[in-house]
Amino acid sequence: KAGVTQTPRYLIKTRGQQVTLSCSPISGHRSVSWYQQTPGQGLQFLFEYFSETQRNKGNFPGRFSGRQFSNSRSEMNVSTLELGDSALYLCASSSGLSDMNEQFFGPGTRLTVL
Amino acid sequence: QKEVEQNSGPLSVPEGAIASLNCTYSDRGSQSFFWYRQYSGKSPELIMFIYSNGDKEDGRFTAQLNKASQYVSLLIRDSQPSDSATYLCAVTGSSASKIIFGSGTRLSIRP
Repeated sequence: KAGVTQTPRYLIKTRGQQVTLSCSPISGHRSVSWYQQTPGQGLQFLFEYFSETQRNKGNFPGRFSGRQFSNSRSEMNVSTLELGDSALYLCASSSGLSDMNEQFFGPGTRLTVL
Repeated sequence: QKEVEQNSGPLSVPEGAIASLNCTYSDRGSQSFFWYRQYSGKSPELIMFIYSNGDKEDGRFTAQLNKASQYVSLLIRDSQPSDSATYLCAVTGSSASKIIFGSGTRLSIRP
């Protein structure tokens, strides 16, 4: 069974630009969660989508948004990029069922904002 | 108080010994508990999950959960150099689908 895939793997942007990251979950999984990982803050939860609906949201500004498509693929968008947005962005896939919520991570997208 | 707390380490353990990693959490309503291993430059890899009080064993790994004390631990027996990594403790928050991660414990296995 194929794992979680994320594209692109690396991105370099400048301040003020916007960026869209993509995540394809494990086949059959309906939940996708997004995380930001930085050396100083660790792994921080951004949001979770299940069946095209945002089910949970972390404490990030509105510049961070996401969506999920009917095939469970998810995108994350960051607008008006800031230097502090440089991080590894990880998505995690799970079945989405309350008693089977083990999450499996993709390889991540490393975003550098200059 | 952080929601999930771990000692950042580094924790240095000789090869062949038992490595013990600890984690405390603040939400008494948490139901699911996970341990992830993350090698430098890689994404986290799920190695154990536990839902009930007590011990759960999988190969060289044992997860221990004590909900009354809000404490979860990971034991690694017969530690190998390949076990050197950062270990992340994760706990479900107010929603079962929202998972909160600790900052991780860096483990180093010395030959």
